[in-house]
Amino acid sequence: GAGVSQSPRYKVAKRGQDVALRCDPISGHVSLFWYQQALGQGPEFLTYFQNEAQLDKSGLPSDRFFAERPEGSVSTLKIQRTQQEDSAVYLCASSSQFSGNTIYFGEGSWLTVV
Amino acid sequence: QQQVKQSPQSLIVQKGGISIINCAYENTAFDYFPWYQQFPGKGPALLIAIRPDVSEKKEGRFTISFNKSAKQFSLHIMDSQPGDSATYFCAARGKSGGSNYKLTFGKGTLLTVNP
Repeated sequence: GAGVSQSPRYKVAKRGQDVALRCDPISGHVSLFWYQQALGQGPEFLTYFQNEAQLDKSGLPSDRFFAERPEGSVSTLKIQRTQQEDSAVYLCASSSQFSGNTIYFGEGSWLTVV
Repeated sequence: QQQVKQSPQSLIVQKGGISIINCAYENTAFDYFPWYQQFPGKGPALLIAIRPDVSEKKEGRFTISFNKSAKQFSLHIMDSQPGDSATYFCAARGKSGGSNYKLTFGKGTLLTVNP
């Protein structure tokens, strides 16, 4: 498709389980972002990639969170030993030098930790 | 510290009315102010954006008013329609260094337009 694609759309994890969330950005988009959106809140920045380089991971809440983009396209956000407070929507977004300031968001991966 | 404060939290408007959502920011390094629209189960979608060198920008029924001295900006939706019912987020982004890519969002306004 032409947009940012995320999978899985919905994930229920037992506390302590590891999860991996995948993002396929728009083809050719150099910049990739992960945001976390808690219920009833605005998205909060987690991390930023330019191609395969992770230039900013200041928003990752703990060392249980890890993101990678090894070939500069698809990205994976991994959460180890999930906790209930990790329950949120994880949004991936991408942009290109040609899209100006427009950042395109995917529909998100809804994570519920039980 | 919440860098972008948004109000109201929720808003109910009659069809054909004007919806107004306000945001205030603290960081003077911000220089790009977008508004996003989010429908349930969907990701945020860019609606309209403004830079601080202009005081107003209009696109169709949507207008951003910007007051640089007051560090405030607002979204006006004219002739509001039931299809406009969604959550609206204001956001801000810096102009240099490590902040020129990171969007800081407000907490959102749930708009309901009654038919």
